[in-house]
Amino acid sequence: GQQLNQSPQSMFIQEGEDVSMNCTSSSIFNTWLWYKQDPGEGPVLLIALYKAGELTSNGRLTAQFGITRKDSFLNISASIPSDVGIYFCAGLGVRPVENSGYALNFGKGTSLLVTP
Amino acid sequence: NAGVMQNPRHLVRRRGQEARLRCSPMKGHSHVYWYRQLPEEGLKFMVYLQKENIIDESGMPKERFSAEFPKEGPSILRIQQVVRGDSAAYFCASSAIENTEAFFGQGTRLTVV
Repeated sequence: GQQLNQSPQSMFIQEGEDVSMNCTSSSIFNTWLWYKQDPGEGPVLLIALYKAGELTSNGRLTAQFGITRKDSFLNISASIPSDVGIYFCAGLGVRPVENSGYALNFGKGTSLLVTP
Repeated sequence: NAGVMQNPRHLVRRRGQEARLRCSPMKGHSHVYWYRQLPEEGLKFMVYLQKENIIDESGMPKERFSAEFPKEGPSILRIQQVVRGDSAAYFCASSAIENTEAFFGQGTRLTVV
């Protein structure tokens, strides 16, 4: 599958702060998705992006599909303790691309810790 | 509308035994994906199936691992002769249309002792 580079690897912030994380790829993608995973649970879909340049919000979360189609970012505004978890970006590549597969490729995640 | 259901949630097997993991996709979804997650790592794609067909198994180990999605019933990920290195969380996801947003189950945590 295609390699996704997600950064930062971890973040430790205070409640009320804004958070930004991003994901880059050496290949272009048709779709970018952002998931959150709590300990012991499966990933939960937060936001889906389908067009280059698209900016989409879901409550305090905002995500953008980069113009180059090789990157995406996720912002969380006014963080709260329940935002704690691991955030994964995932992308679907353009076919036909050798070894792109047909399924989502995931980044390694950004671990977010929020202190009250 | 129930979400993706995986069972069992936890599975313990001795080395050499077989592990069978089940996944029932969301209602109306005919595309199923299996992923493996090691502690503090991302999700690694294993296999993508559509009813009765394996579409992409490029992430599946060549030996001991197999997957199916029969016309009736859940998708099954089968691991034969398990080894300690197979210990991981295995997640299933489903989608209504190929290559669109996928929804995950809660996973099966396999421990090989």
